[in-house]
Amino acid sequence: KAGVTQTPRYLIKTRGQQVTLSCSPISGHRSVSWYQQTPGQGLQFLFEYFSETQRNKGNFPGRFSGRQFSNSRSEMNVSTLELGDSALYLCASSLVAGGTYEQYFGPGTRLTVT
Amino acid sequence: AQKVTQAQTEISVVEKEDVTLDCVYETRDTTYYLFWYKQPPSGELVFLIRRNSFDEQNEISGRYSWNFQKSTSSFNFTITASQVVDSAVYFCALRGDYNNNDMRFGAGTRLTVKP
Repeated sequence: KAGVTQTPRYLIKTRGQQVTLSCSPISGHRSVSWYQQTPGQGLQFLFEYFSETQRNKGNFPGRFSGRQFSNSRSEMNVSTLELGDSALYLCASSLVAGGTYEQYFGPGTRLTVT
Repeated sequence: AQKVTQAQTEISVVEKEDVTLDCVYETRDTTYYLFWYKQPPSGELVFLIRRNSFDEQNEISGRYSWNFQKSTSSFNFTITASQVVDSAVYFCALRGDYNNNDMRFGAGTRLTVKP
């Protein structure tokens, strides 16, 4: 079974631009969560989608948004990029929302904002 | 509020030593789930174990073992006879019940196993 895939793996953007990251979950998984990992703040939850609906949202500004498609693939968008948005963005998939099942993580997208 | 504390920032051991990574959590939920993940230098988080709040039975998987104690809100992870390949950052995480789904991660413990 293929794992969680994320594209692109690396991205360099300049301040003020916007970026869209993509995540394809494990086949059969309907829940997708997004996390931001930085050396200073560690791993922080961004949001979770299940059946195309946002189920939970972390404490991030509105510049961070996401969506999920009917095939469970998910995208997250960051608008008006700031230097502090430089991070590893991790996507995780699970069979359903909640903690009943573990999350499996993708390799991440490393975003650098210059 | 939910919180996970991994007090050990970095641990360095010599190969074949046993090592325990500590994890202390805080939650008001009755039902919750605890996890351990490994993040090797490649960056991808690897799932190790999930434990729900109603199952305090300790678990052993090869050289890995976990000790879950609700009385002390701890979920510690022990690697027996450590190997160089165990070098990674290890994260403990907590997820609440169905209405509180976000996963809270600890700051991680960087384990270095020297040959």
